[in-house]
Amino acid sequence: SQQGEEDPQALSIQEGENATMNCSYKTSINNLQWYRQNSGRGLVHLILIRSNEREKHSGRLRVTLDTSKKSSSLLITASRAADTASYFCATDASTSNTGKLIFGQGTTLQVKP
Amino acid sequence: DGGITQSPKYLFRKEGQNVTLSCEQNLNHDAMYWYRQDPGQGLRLIYYSQIVNDFQKGDIAEGYSVSREKKESFPLTVTSAQKNPTAFYLCASRSTTITYGYTFGSGTRLTVV
Repeated sequence: SQQGEEDPQALSIQEGENATMNCSYKTSINNLQWYRQNSGRGLVHLILIRSNEREKHSGRLRVTLDTSKKSSSLLITASRAADTASYFCATDASTSNTGKLIFGQGTTLQVKP
Repeated sequence: DGGITQSPKYLFRKEGQNVTLSCEQNLNHDAMYWYRQDPGQGLRLIYYSQIVNDFQKGDIAEGYSVSREKKESFPLTVTSAQKNPTAFYLCASRSTTITYGYTFGSGTRLTVV
């Protein structure tokens, strides 16, 4: 079952611009995570935000979480060509600490040099 | 360096054949997961294991089997009962003692020939 829906499905920007991706989900969560996937590779964990947190930063990444709207956003500032990848949100709504994640379908970001 | 190793990178399966995908981690993680990714889509959970000698079905377990005889290893067998096995398979692990994201392997691309 796909819990997360991401928007937009694809995004194309110029280097130096900011990129914003959104994720919506359906059930209560323990935390929400963002991952990056370069073409044909495994996923890389970017950031985790807990359900009691509203905003988190890591370098050029800023993640917000609105549990009342069941939504999250990922902002990449001052984008670079190397940021070109697919970005996935994943929600941990598990009980018993199973850590099972449900992934959205991803946003494909292209950063043009 | 600590990480997860998946092998082989590419695998070709004939009709009616069982194949086994390897996943090994040296991160001392208790929990391990197998996900399937189809083109342009998110990840779907096949099986997961939180401890040695125990594993649970995910959302799409039919046609797959796993074992967890050692903490470091979580092999996935794609059986002949899986009618549409062509996909990208990703193995991941995480610590159960700290709240953090998954570490993913680099994936195995399975093609039916």
